[in-house]
Amino acid sequence: DADVTQTPRNRITKTGKRIMLECSQTKGHDRMYWYRQDPGLGLRLIYYSFDVKDINKGEISDGYSVSRQAQAKFSLSLESAIPNQTALYFCATSEGGQVINQPQHFGDGTRLSIL
Amino acid sequence: AQSVTQLDSHVSVSEGTPVLLRCNYSSSYSPSLFWYVQHPNKGLQLLLKYTSAATLVKGINGFEAEFKKSETSFHLTKPSAHMSDAAEYFCVVSERSNYQLIWGAGTKLIIKP
Repeated sequence: DADVTQTPRNRITKTGKRIMLECSQTKGHDRMYWYRQDPGLGLRLIYYSFDVKDINKGEISDGYSVSRQAQAKFSLSLESAIPNQTALYFCATSEGGQVINQPQHFGDGTRLSIL
Repeated sequence: AQSVTQLDSHVSVSEGTPVLLRCNYSSSYSPSLFWYVQHPNKGLQLLLKYTSAATLVKGINGFEAEFKKSETSFHLTKPSAHMSDAAEYFCVVSERSNYQLIWGAGTKLIIKP
């Protein structure tokens, strides 16, 4: 079984719909992250959480919200989806300690298309 | 502000020849640097990381990278390319002053038979 599991793997939906992407991990890591990947832009951070009670906005949080239901679960919601949110979304985890020294462990991604 | 520039969007090499993927960074503080690899339809995997110890860093699958502060570079190399190396590679920088990882735009590595 994968250490970081994202569901669904693919989703096609319509403008204005509410969508939730889910992430669960079995690594026991405190820190979890949501990124989006667009061609030619690398990864951009949407939200991150250093523990269950600590949630922070990343570089591009507008139009998104998150919920950290437990140490192992971190979900991303698009309240009212728009076409420019079409992208590949990744969840990642890392251990605690100095952030800069900790590698991040990624799920396989969710490909989201908004029509 | 920190930033990362991957100098080539695509690199094409023949199997068995050396690989060079170039990365330059901009950072106000002592950075940590990473290379990640993404195979098609998969997540990202850490290849190697530099965190102010040895400037030549060895990673998985025969890759290595050298941190050159004077050139603000962290190029990724491999002596002999293998077909399984075909993937997209990302250079990433992180500063001690904040939490964020800043990602380069990626370099697609193409391996010719």
